[in-house]
Amino acid sequence: GQQLNQSPQSMFIQEGEDVSMNCTSSSIFNTWLWYKQEPGEGPVLLIALYKAGELTSNGRLTAQFGITRKDSFLNISASIPSDVGIYFCAGQLLAGNQFYFGTGTSLTVIP
Amino acid sequence: DVKVTQSSRYLVKRTGEKVFLECVQDMDHENMFWYRQDPGLGLRLIYFSYDVKMKEKGDIPEGYSVSREKKERFSLILESASTNQTSMYLCASRPVKTRRETQYFGPGTRLLVL
Repeated sequence: GQQLNQSPQSMFIQEGEDVSMNCTSSSIFNTWLWYKQEPGEGPVLLIALYKAGELTSNGRLTAQFGITRKDSFLNISASIPSDVGIYFCAGQLLAGNQFYFGTGTSLTVIP
Repeated sequence: DVKVTQSSRYLVKRTGEKVFLECVQDMDHENMFWYRQDPGLGLRLIYFSYDVKMKEKGDIPEGYSVSREKKERFSLILESASTNQTSMYLCASRPVKTRRETQYFGPGTRLLVL
């Protein structure tokens, strides 16, 4: 299957700091999704992106669909302890096809 | 709100047992998926179903089968459980009749095979 490279693998940050993570692919994607997964739970959809260059916010979270359509970025501003979890990207080559997932970025926020 | 539920949060089974993992979604979604999640490997697709009684193999179908007799329910079956099937299993569903693609997950079933 498709490989999505997600970085960084893990982050340890102070409460209040901003966070950036990204996902890259060797293929052009039609759709990008960003999920958060807390320990012992399933992934929860945070943001969906459908168009190259699109910038979408959900509270303190902002995600962008890269212009090349081979990457996507997620930013979290002013992090708080409840932001802790694993963040996944997912990409879809064509509408109706399966999604491929990154290996996740584990975020730890130190109060 | 979309709701995807899985029958068990935790399961402990013995090698050789037949295991059923059930998933139900309440939003009339056509597509349903089973993934397994392992540290360092991310989510890997086992099987998916486009609609009732339809199924397609994903990237790692070996050792698994599925059943979709009703639209809302998608079952994953381990015919003879093995220790390498110890994992977190995630079910997901996706609407088709929408211009915007999304996918929603259940809470997961953590399976331990002894």
